[in-house]
Order: sequence, then structure tokens, then C-alpha cells
Amino acid sequence: AQRVTQPEKLLSVFKGAPVELKCNYSYSGSPELFWYVQYSRQRLQLLLRHISRESIKGFTADLNKGETSFHLKKPFAQEEDSAMYYCALSGLGNEKLTFGTGTRLTIIP
Amino acid sequence: GAVVSQHPSWVICKSGTSVKIECRSLDFQATTMFWYRQFPKQSLMLMATSNEGSKATYEQGVEKDKFLINHASLTLSTLTVTSAHPEDSSFYICSARAGDRVPGELFFGEGSRLTVL
Repeated sequence: AQRVTQPEKLLSVFKGAPVELKCNYSYSGSPELFWYVQYSRQRLQLLLRHISRESIKGFTADLNKGETSFHLKKPFAQEEDSAMYYCALSGLGNEKLTFGTGTRLTIIP
Repeated sequence: GAVVSQHPSWVICKSGTSVKIECRSLDFQATTMFWYRQFPKQSLMLMATSNEGSKATYEQGVEKDKFLINHASLTLSTLTVTSAHPEDSSFYICSARAGDRVPGELFFGEGSRLTVL
């Protein structure tokens, strides 16, 4: 079974401070991990995926198989980062995407 | 990026009636689309996988006779909520994967808010 846990429903961070949104997963095979973001009044969109190992909008996430984690990080928060963030998982070759419960990030000016 | 469009974005209906929601991939073909349901301040719950030209695959606990899914073409999937009741009120979101794009990336529709009176 696939399972994604985001322990924080709400997270508030001051502008300029570092941000870390936690994500832990459970999957018996080789996982593909993603972060999706939903800005106010917009649709859900892909932020980044672990395979590409890229930084998008200053965010990075490293897959830690030992800790089964895929935490999202950004060194300096910006006001425009305020949004709902969802961690998601699929198995290799499996199209089904399982979402975590999401974390609402609020950046305090 | 690829565009997925849903219609209607907002619908109110009376209890006992049926409502159809359309999901279209505008600039790509999608052999597979996914339907999610999202309750207020909760995560997206996968309801079913819609397969073009064949029956949808429903997740455990989702009534297939209640939520009819039809994927008649490579750019259109429809979700029909039959004999709707107030507990069916929710935000329904579809998504699709563009086959020639980044593997694993899903493109989402804007969602359809259903309110059953």
C-alpha cells in the first residue's frame, strides 16, 4: 500500500526565514516522490519531483530512502510562497498518485 | 504546460438529480485520466482511474453506480454523480498525464464544486 504523511497541517514562517515542509512515505517498492503546490484560487500544479533533482522557485527536496522522507526546503521564504503544499507518491510504472493531507504554508511579512 | 479543463466549475443541484462534470485535455491526448474528490481543508482522495475505451477502475469504497465515469475519447472524460445527495457535495478534480511530457507529472483541472441542496 502507498501512504504519504505530512505531519503539519499549518506552518507559518517569517519572510526571509528558512522553510521546511515535512513528508514521510510508506511504500514497499521503488517510489517516485513529488511536491505539488496550490496557490490561492489556482489549480494544483507540480512543483518538483525527486527524479529531476532540480530546484524550482528556490525549493529543493531530497529523497531519503533510509528515513523514507522527502522534505521540501527553501533557505529564504518569500511572501509568494504562501500556498497549500502536497507531497505525493507513485510507484515506478504505477500511474496512481497518492497524496498527503497537505500543509498550508503562510509566510509572515 | 499541458492544459486540463473542467466544466462546470460550479454547480448546484437538487437532491435526487444527476450531475455531469466534464474533464477535457485541451492540447494533448490522455489515455488515462484520474478523478479526485476533495473535502474542505482535506487532501485529494483518488476516486477512480478513467481509461479511454474501457471501464474505469474505482478505488475501494467508491460506488461505481453512484459515480459513473465515461472516457469516450482521448480528450474527454466525464463524471456523472447519479441521484445526488447533500453528502455528495464536494470539490471534484480531474487530472491527466500527457504521455509525451515529463513522466509522472499530472496536469490538473481547475476543479468543479458541487453543492447538492
